[in-house]
Amino acid sequence: DTAVSQTPKYLVTQMGNDKSIKCEQNLGHDTMYWYKQDSKKFLKIMFSYNNKELIINETVPNRFSPKSPDKAHLNLHINSLELGDSAVYFCASSRVPRETQYFGPGTRLLVL
Amino acid sequence: AQSVAQPEDQVNVAEGNPLTVKCTYSVSGNPYLFWYVQYPNRGLQFLLKYITGDNLVKGSYGFEAEFNKSQTSFHLKKPSALVSDSALYFCAVREEASTDKLIFGTGTRLQVFP
Repeated sequence: DTAVSQTPKYLVTQMGNDKSIKCEQNLGHDTMYWYKQDSKKFLKIMFSYNNKELIINETVPNRFSPKSPDKAHLNLHINSLELGDSAVYFCASSRVPRETQYFGPGTRLLVL
Repeated sequence: AQSVAQPEDQVNVAEGNPLTVKCTYSVSGNPYLFWYVQYPNRGLQFLLKYITGDNLVKGSYGFEAEFNKSQTSFHLKKPSALVSDSALYFCAVREEASTDKLIFGTGTRLQVFP
């Protein structure tokens, strides 16, 4: 009965590769988010979608592209991976915008 | 601009003793305040929030937090700490009238010793 799930849990890849992280929520929520947690545990929002529409887009490189095929899914595609992209990426969801956000378990990305 | 400060990188407390994890915030309007906990290699779990009403908010696992508008603080407390409470705690704020963006503090590691 996982609420917010992410795949994969771990991702190790080479610089320059393209990779995707998937997120799914079974809470019936309308809004989903991506956060990045760096090596110092600092958490920062990257994107949020409401009903498949982009509502928050922080100053994230164009190499990062979120895709929301439906309200229950928000995937993150990263092109031309760089060393600095190494981090833990968390997906979250909320019933509607501005309500409590519930987080997934995270995807640990390591770029070599 | 919204901001959150957690002044302590780490808090150590003996099991059975009360614990406090500090958080101060800065927003232009009314704040919405949150506490999350992150266990090792896990995602963030929601503990409690303050939106309006009673300044003392009760949350999961026996935690509570007190909203103090004059001191712009939202400290997390628990009367009796457990070893299993050892984790990383994050305070977060959102301005009432703002977009959906949660601003997180830098986190405080709580270590409870037996």
